Amino acid sequence: DIQMTQSPSSVSASVGDRVTITCRASQAISTWLAWYQQKPGKAPKLLIYAASSLQSGVPSRFSGSGSGTDFTLTIRSLQPEDFATYYCQQANSFPLTFGGGTKVEIK
Amino acid sequence: QVQLVESGGGVVQPGRSLRLSCAASGFTLSSYGMHWVRQAPGKGLEWMAVIWYDGNTNYYADSVKGRFTISKDNSKNTLYLQINSLRAEDTAVYYCAREPGEQQVDNLFDYWGQGTLVTVSS
Repeated sequence: DIQMTQSPSSVSASVGDRVTITCRASQAISTWLAWYQQKPGKAPKLLIYAASSLQSGVPSRFSGSGSGTDFTLTIRSLQPEDFATYYCQQANSFPLTFGGGTKVEIK
Repeated sequence: QVQLVESGGGVVQPGRSLRLSCAASGFTLSSYGMHWVRQAPGKGLEWMAVIWYDGNTNYYADSVKGRFTISKDNSKNTLYLQINSLRAEDTAVYYCAREPGEQQVDNLFDYWGQGTLVTVSS
């Protein structure tokens, strides 16, 4: 199975800050990587797929990069509605696996 | 619009069985792959199973293989997850989620239900 490791597990940031979350796969997955946002009590929301493609309707302040084993989600100019937990997910092979999550908290 | 509504959760004793349902609307199940993903209380996301749009291919997480069965009824536009021999560690919110592409496999989840809570306890 492919293990997905996210860091940090939590980050404190202020509105307007730039936030970067990293995700590392235990083996190369090309660009088969997605990012999701989850708010408390809600289902996750797809933000980024194919490592860097923005899902329809997602604000352009979200961006993704990377290939192989190392990936990054960047939130440029954090907004109040962005405080949430973010998960990466590998879409390369079964079983599909998620990272442990990164909680973005208000500083 | 696309909507997914799960049902069937509740409090169940260890060793018992349960069938979760996911009623889909706004699209036809026969054209989209569907997944089940669960989340234990306070924990992260864990993928459970997929059924491809044609209904002929399924995959499962190693931890549930042999106990969980994913299926669908296209005539009812409803997805199912049969869970047997329930264990305490199966306690979680169970989400159904749709693949984004019609008649293709991307291993992504673009629409999610609200989830149904399964609590395994004696």
